[in-house]
Amino acid sequence: EAEVAQSPRYKITEKSQAVAFWCDPISGHATLYWYRQILGQGPELLVQFQDESVVDDSQLPKDRFSAERLKGVDSTLKIQPAELGDSAMYLCASSLAGFGGPGGGGDIQYFGAGTRLSVL
Amino acid sequence: GEDVEQSLFLSVREGDSSVINCTYTDSSSTYLYWYKQEPGAGLQLLTYIFSNMDMKQDQRLTVLLNKKDKHLSLRIADTQTGDSAIYFCAEKPGFQKLVFGTGTRLLVSP
Repeated sequence: EAEVAQSPRYKITEKSQAVAFWCDPISGHATLYWYRQILGQGPELLVQFQDESVVDDSQLPKDRFSAERLKGVDSTLKIQPAELGDSAMYLCASSLAGFGGPGGGGDIQYFGAGTRLSVL
Repeated sequence: GEDVEQSLFLSVREGDSSVINCTYTDSSSTYLYWYKQEPGAGLQLLTYIFSNMDMKQDQRLTVLLNKKDKHLSLRIADTQTGDSAIYFCAEKPGFQKLVFGTGTRLLVSP
């Protein structure tokens, strides 16, 4: 069964350092999402890509966070510099169509296992 | 506004039925979802319901939707210890982004 791949699974870093997370969506999925999940809360969308274009980054702290999906396939999320408050689970998801597109179930999002970030 | 509310915790005995409740606020939500998250893992889609439906059943899972009250529930029949996890409901207004609730932690005791 196809899965969304994420790496690393865990990352420990010191504040002010740079960190990067990688995501490989399910093959053929046009839309890729990065979520942040703080302990005890539901995931919140950071950025959404449709192919290689950003369609929603309204909740992305752009002073320190950046995301790219250069060839419209895999994606990298970067934080520089990391702050203590960035400690969270970072989840990647993908969907077949996404923004404005069709698809059963309103275009179901499939999630990866996530990257647990701890900033010390 | 976007606000999905869930109770924080539910404890049941193995073999009982579990009912997890969710209240959403956006009346334009066309799809509502239930996801399951096990410790340290990502989210697994359990089921979803379209807004023109009142009920959907899928094996041990039954979803009830009350659009008038903006209330969604997930019933798990014959709950097993493997069902212990955090359950999130999520709404999707039109083609907008998914909005998740805070999650309900289900604990199933033998």
